[in-house]
Amino acid sequence: DIEMTQSPSSVSASVGDRVTITCRASESISRWLAWYQQKPGQAPRLLIYDASRLQDGVPSRFSGSGSGTDFTLTISGLQPEDFASYYCQQAQTFPYSFGQGTYLDI
Amino acid sequence: EVQLVQSGGTLAQPGGSLRLSCEASGLIFDIYAMNWVRQAPGKGLEWVSSISGDGGTTYYADSVMGRFSISRDNSKKTVYLQIKSLRVDDTAVYYCAKGQVVVPAPLDSWGQGTLVTVSS
Repeated sequence: DIEMTQSPSSVSASVGDRVTITCRASESISRWLAWYQQKPGQAPRLLIYDASRLQDGVPSRFSGSGSGTDFTLTISGLQPEDFASYYCQQAQTFPYSFGQGTYLDI
Repeated sequence: EVQLVQSGGTLAQPGGSLRLSCEASGLIFDIYAMNWVRQAPGKGLEWVSSISGDGGTTYYADSVMGRFSISRDNSKKTVYLQIKSLRVDDTAVYYCAKGQVVVPAPLDSWGQGTLVTVSS
């Protein structure tokens, strides 16, 4: 099974900052990586798929990069509504696996 | 707009059974894989199970194999998760999520979640 490791587990930032979250897969997943945002009490929301493709309706301040085993999610120009948890997920093979999450505190 | 509306969450006793439902609208349901993901209180996301669009192929996490059963009724645009031999560590919010025509794939629409609490 593929293990996904995110870092950091939590990060504090201010409005307008640029934040980067990393995700590492235990083996190569090509570009089969997705990023989700989850706000308290809400369902997750797909932000990015195929490592760097922005899901419809997601603001352009979100971007993703990487391939193989190392990936990043960058939020440029943090907004108050970006306070949330973020999860990566490998979408290459079953069983699907998620990173443990990164809590972003604005 | 795709909507997934869940039902069936409840307080249940260890060893019991229950069935979760997720009704879809706004999409051609029978071409998309559907999935269940759970989240224990204060914890991260855990994929549970997936089913192909025609219902012919299913996938399960090792942690639920043999106790959970995923199924779908395409005429009702509904996917189900049958859980038996409930354990305390099954306590979680369960989400259904829409996949893609081809699997594996990311999950692009999610239900509102339903809470399952297992306690004596």
